Amino acid sequence: DAMVIQNPRYQVTQFGKPVTLSCSQTLNHNVMYWYQQKSSQAPKLLFHYYDKDFNNEADTPDNFQSRRPNTSFCFLDIRSPGLGDAAMYLCATSFATSSYEQYFGPGTRLTVT
Amino acid sequence: GQNIDQPTEMTATEGAIVQINCTYQTSGFNGLFWYQQHAGEAPTFLSYNVLDGLEEKGRFSSFLSRSKGYSYLLLKELQMKDSASYLCAVREYGGATNKLIFGTGTLLAVQP
Repeated sequence: DAMVIQNPRYQVTQFGKPVTLSCSQTLNHNVMYWYQQKSSQAPKLLFHYYDKDFNNEADTPDNFQSRRPNTSFCFLDIRSPGLGDAAMYLCATSFATSSYEQYFGPGTRLTVT
Repeated sequence: GQNIDQPTEMTATEGAIVQINCTYQTSGFNGLFWYQQHAGEAPTFLSYNVLDGLEEKGRFSSFLSRSKGYSYLLLKELQMKDSASYLCAVREYGGATNKLIFGTGTLLAVQP
């Protein structure tokens, strides 16, 4: 089945130690998004790629970076995680010109110790 | 900017009907989505409204009034598995791509 896959599902990292989260999709969608969702809060868009074009949200900290080496894969890099970065990180995809529904992956829960 | 309001929590009884309201303020409205999110899981798509009126899909219906900045999600014949958070999300007009602005969600507890 076509889907959005995130690895790992659970990630523990140490304060200040760089970490990379992975997202892949078999839907062949043009757009890939990264959201941060803290406990009992709404998902917050960090950035998205439309093909190779990177679109950063104005309030996304510089500590968060992203890479999209090809259509299928997108990575979220946290250069120096702080305790406040502990959250669920959701990857989503969509076509740019379809019904605009976003398909979410299962998420990666990040713990910072 | 955008502002989305929905109740924090609701409780309902199995077999009953529940309506979850969402009000929004936006400068560039281009559609409203409802997502269901079980604890610790990713949101799953429930419905999409861009024109005024009611969209029905099985036990779930969603209504939109653009002039009032108002939507609701109606869940009929409630089941225990419907216990989840329901997220209202507004699509911000942005050309070829879309950005979703999510509300904080309504946590629905279905009781026997």
